Amino acid sequence: AQSVTQLDSHVSVSEGTPVLLRCNYSSSYSPSLFWYVQHPNKGLQLLLKYTSAATLVKGINGFEAEFKKSETSFHLTKPSAHMSDAAEYFCVVSEGGSSNTGKLIFGQGTTLQVKP
Amino acid sequence: DAGVIQSPRHEVTEMGQEVTLRCKPISGHDYLFWYRQTMMRGLELLIYFNNNVPIDDSGMPEDRFSAKMPNASFSTLKIQPSEPRDSAVYFCASTLTGPYGYTFGSGTRLTVV
Repeated sequence: AQSVTQLDSHVSVSEGTPVLLRCNYSSSYSPSLFWYVQHPNKGLQLLLKYTSAATLVKGINGFEAEFKKSETSFHLTKPSAHMSDAAEYFCVVSEGGSSNTGKLIFGQGTTLQVKP
Repeated sequence: DAGVIQSPRHEVTEMGQEVTLRCKPISGHDYLFWYRQTMMRGLELLIYFNNNVPIDDSGMPEDRFSAKMPNASFSTLKIQPSEPRDSAVYFCASTLTGPYGYTFGSGTRLTVV
């Protein structure tokens, strides 16, 4: 069965410093992986997705993630944090694998705090 | 495209009342999902449809919950009777067949008092 583990429930960074949000996944086959962001009292927005193409995936707002099969990881990074990045971030795996639609399995989320 | 549209945005109701949440998916999308989000349990998948047909309702908590999709552009999630523990944010999402990820609506915040 597919699952995701977000290794940090809360990450705090200073504005202008790098962001690293960690995610490990478990999948029976080639996975589809996603990162979603949820700002306070808002819906979930897709940041980026990996579907077995390039292992380094670029998303919106300067975020990117690297798929590392050997480490079963899909960590989210950004070179320089902005105050507007403060939000909840979810790592997600699809049960459908890399070529099919399937149920999305959400991690528990990581709260990113950005200090001025 | 207006995205996935949910209504109402907020609902406050008394215990025992019937509650109906509505969702309009993105035109052309053939999958629709209903999720519930709470602080304690995070995001839970309740039910999903493919081409208006319910595929998996194993996440529906109990018989008080029901969902329908009478056509490709509309779905409802009904709770009858509602209970305080149903208080949560309910999200609807839609997608196309394939590994595209979902587009979520803005959610309905339900409070049952």
